[in-house]
Amino acid sequence: DGGITQSPKYLFRKEGQNVTLSCEQNLNHDAMYWYRQDPGQGLRLIYYSQIVNDFQKGDIAEGYSVSREKKESFPLTVTSAQKNPTAFYLCASSFRDRPNSNQPQHFGDGTRLSIL
Amino acid sequence: QKEVEQNSGPLSVPEGAIASLNCTYSDRGSQSFFWYRQYSGKSPELIMFIYSNGDKEDGRFTAQLNKASQYVSLLIRDSQPSDSATYLCAARGNAGNNRKLIWGLGTSLAVNP
Repeated sequence: DGGITQSPKYLFRKEGQNVTLSCEQNLNHDAMYWYRQDPGQGLRLIYYSQIVNDFQKGDIAEGYSVSREKKESFPLTVTSAQKNPTAFYLCASSFRDRPNSNQPQHFGDGTRLSIL
Repeated sequence: QKEVEQNSGPLSVPEGAIASLNCTYSDRGSQSFFWYRQYSGKSPELIMFIYSNGDKEDGRFTAQLNKASQYVSLLIRDSQPSDSATYLCAARGNAGNNRKLIWGLGTSLAVNP
């Protein structure tokens, strides 16, 4: 079945540690996105990528890094510089975004990150 | 600051009734609008999207868009307890960085048996 797989489902980070969240899709989507969701807040965009080997910062990129070496994969690293990393992290993907097109984003099941 | 606003709720309706969820947006350049359903502890799932003024129907769901009033709504007919969730509205512009989705905070819906 086609879909978006995020792993792990739960992740715990120690002080000063970098952690990497995995996102893989087999939908042949060009674009991939990382969001963060906190209680009482809307989805906030961290990074997005429209094509392999290219990505852009979203609204809250500080303390995060990404890579897009393969079309299917868009891993997110939460670095030690991110002082408040506890949140629900959502990966999404879509066909390539173009003006006058309406490509919806589809989400993986998410990763819950907590501080130890 | 581009915004999408939704009443946080909870909106409570009896089983079988019509649930009406509303969303307003501030950016007149917004071109397409998306409704997602999010169950507690789960990720959002797409219900439908709309980009033309008027109504768009898909099963028990109808999305309505009024660009002059900057207003988009989602109607759920014959509401079921399984429809109880948070409904997220998102808007997207049509150029450059405006293509990013702007998300509302969601409306919590409770359908009572």
